[in-house]
Amino acid sequence: GEDVEQSLFLSVREGDSSVINCTYTDSSSTYLYWYKQEPGAGLQLLTYIFSNMDMKQDQRLTVLLNKKDKHLSLRIADTQTGDSAIYFCAEKVGSGGYQKVTFGIGTKLQVIP
Amino acid sequence: NAGVTQTPKFRVLKTGQSMTLLCAQDMNHEYMYWYRQDPGMGLRLIHYSVGEGTTAKGEVPDGYNVSRLKKQNFLLGLESAAPSQTSVYFCASSYPLLTGKSTDTQYFGPGTRLTVL
Repeated sequence: GEDVEQSLFLSVREGDSSVINCTYTDSSSTYLYWYKQEPGAGLQLLTYIFSNMDMKQDQRLTVLLNKKDKHLSLRIADTQTGDSAIYFCAEKVGSGGYQKVTFGIGTKLQVIP
Repeated sequence: NAGVTQTPKFRVLKTGQSMTLLCAQDMNHEYMYWYRQDPGMGLRLIHYSVGEGTTAKGEVPDGYNVSRLKKQNFLLGLESAAPSQTSVYFCASSYPLLTGKSTDTQYFGPGTRLTVL
């Protein structure tokens, strides 16, 4: 079955880079996503990557996908205090019709000024 | 566009009471979802709907019912609330991947914080 795992907590200093890691088990993933949840709010899509890509860059965000190891990472360059939030990794599996999205438990990023 | 809205934002129930959570979206999305979020457990799918008039069970459906009478609305009902249903409930919606309109990104509402005493 599908399983998405993340570490629970990451602390970085403002201005440093943050790297949030995620592993997944289903090799038939089609899309992998990173969502951000700020306190008291719902999840908001940050970025996504197709399963046939290795890397995607979007301004301060870099997503790396290692399909062999089923490992996904999100790098945030020049981390700001406004980046403090919970980051969820998610994978979509299957083809045709309804395709299930499985979320990790979320990594809480704390940015120290 | 308001996106995905949820009502109410907060609610306290006594064990055995019933209530309905309302989710509305104005993006003409086909798919809608109800999740619960609990500490250390991430998001778990309760029920989902792939279109008006259809519903299906997710990962943790017991104790909940849903209805999708209109495309824009997805209702989550608790017939007899239990303390184990204390949680934050999120509704989400998306286009299905087949339409080619999107990557099936889910758009989330702000959540409903429910406490069952």
